[in-house]
Amino acid sequence: AQSVTQLGSHVSVSEGALVLLRCNYSSSVPPYLFWYVQYPNQGLQLLLKYTTGATLVKGINGFEAEFKKSETSFHLTKPSAHMSDAAEYFCASRRSNKLIFGAGTRLAVHP
Amino acid sequence: SAVISQKPSRDICQRGTSLTIQCQVDSQVTMMFWYRQQPGQSLTLIATANQGSEATYESGFVIDKFPISRPNLTFSTLTVSNMSPEDSSIYLCSGARDRDHEQYFGPGTRLTVT
Repeated sequence: AQSVTQLGSHVSVSEGALVLLRCNYSSSVPPYLFWYVQYPNQGLQLLLKYTTGATLVKGINGFEAEFKKSETSFHLTKPSAHMSDAAEYFCASRRSNKLIFGAGTRLAVHP
Repeated sequence: SAVISQKPSRDICQRGTSLTIQCQVDSQVTMMFWYRQQPGQSLTLIATANQGSEATYESGFVIDKFPISRPNLTFSTLTVSNMSPEDSSIYLCSGARDRDHEQYFGPGTRLTVT
């Protein structure tokens, strides 16, 4: 069965520091992969997606992710964290038009 | 992208009652989905809403508890029936088009059952 694993339910960084949120997938074939962000009391917003082609994907708000088939990973990064990046982040893979979500990582950014 | 709205945004309900949540999409989508997000947890797919026919439910979810309608391409409802405190969750609607590979989410309905 296809699954998505996010390592670290909570990540805390200083403002201006590198953000790294980890995501690994299990699938017999390379899936479509997504990162979503959820701000408090809001729905989900798509940050970026990988379907085919270039393995380094750039998204909104300065985020990017790299698809690494050999490592079955799709880690999310941002060079410099802002206070406004504090939110819950979900990695997801698509199977037969359905999204399978990881457990989520709560990112805290402190001054 | 598609803009998705949900009503109500939140509600507090008594156990044993039912609540119907509405989802409206601003453009035609081929697929619509309903998710549940229990407190502090990730999203779990409840069902795929099919236009003009019965929804397709995921394991652990049944039509008697979560009846779903989708009378046209841009509108769907989810009813949470005979509610108990365990149904307290955020319920999210999403839509997707064939030409995209992503799902667009509504803001969610925050349900508290007392």
